[in-house]
Amino acid sequence: GAVVSQHPSWVICKSGTSVKIECRSLDFQATTMFWYRQFPKQSLMLMATSNEGSKATYEQGVEKDKFLINHASLTLSTLTVTSAHPEDSSFYICSAHRGLIYGYTFGSGTRLTVV
Amino acid sequence: GQQLNQSPQSMFIQEGEDVSMNCTSSSIFNTWLWYKQDPGEGPVLLIALYKAGELTSNGRLTAQFGITRKDSFLNISASIPSDVGIYFCAGREGSGNTGKLIFGQGTTLQVKP
Repeated sequence: GAVVSQHPSWVICKSGTSVKIECRSLDFQATTMFWYRQFPKQSLMLMATSNEGSKATYEQGVEKDKFLINHASLTLSTLTVTSAHPEDSSFYICSAHRGLIYGYTFGSGTRLTVV
Repeated sequence: GQQLNQSPQSMFIQEGEDVSMNCTSSSIFNTWLWYKQDPGEGPVLLIALYKAGELTSNGRLTAQFGITRKDSFLNISASIPSDVGIYFCAGREGSGNTGKLIFGQGTTLQVKP
């Protein structure tokens, strides 16, 4: 079945530093990947849509210069949280799309804690 | 943007009982999806619905795509302790294959053995 690997599963960083999160589709090619953020006891909020070889499309209110997304290949998308602050602490989840039949497969998420 | 209203927000039931939850939207979706999320994990797809009126089952789970395309429900029969988790509905925007998903607020299910 379709597997999406997300790494790291958790990370603690100091305020002001940058953190990179990787999302890989292991057994399929994903032309489109999505990045979500989820605060405790809340739903998933879409941050951006990432298409291979082109610039990401960000949702309203999401700072593109703070959340850098790179989709350099059909199996890898990365999200970099730049100059992280405590309010960026959250659960970040990626999703890869594999066509109409297989749909969307989610990674296992990354717990980011900024101290 | 579009929003999904999911209810109930939480449920605490006895093992063996049936569960029902639903989602409604002010706008039309072409696809409805139901996911389950365990703590600290990403959502896992339970059922996907692609046609208005479609009724689909997956083991003890049954979901339906409303005729108006603005609602969907998920039923779980004979609940067991491992059904515990957060259930999300999601609607897919747009007519293409890769439209973005809009998620409901989630239903937290707790099952008492």
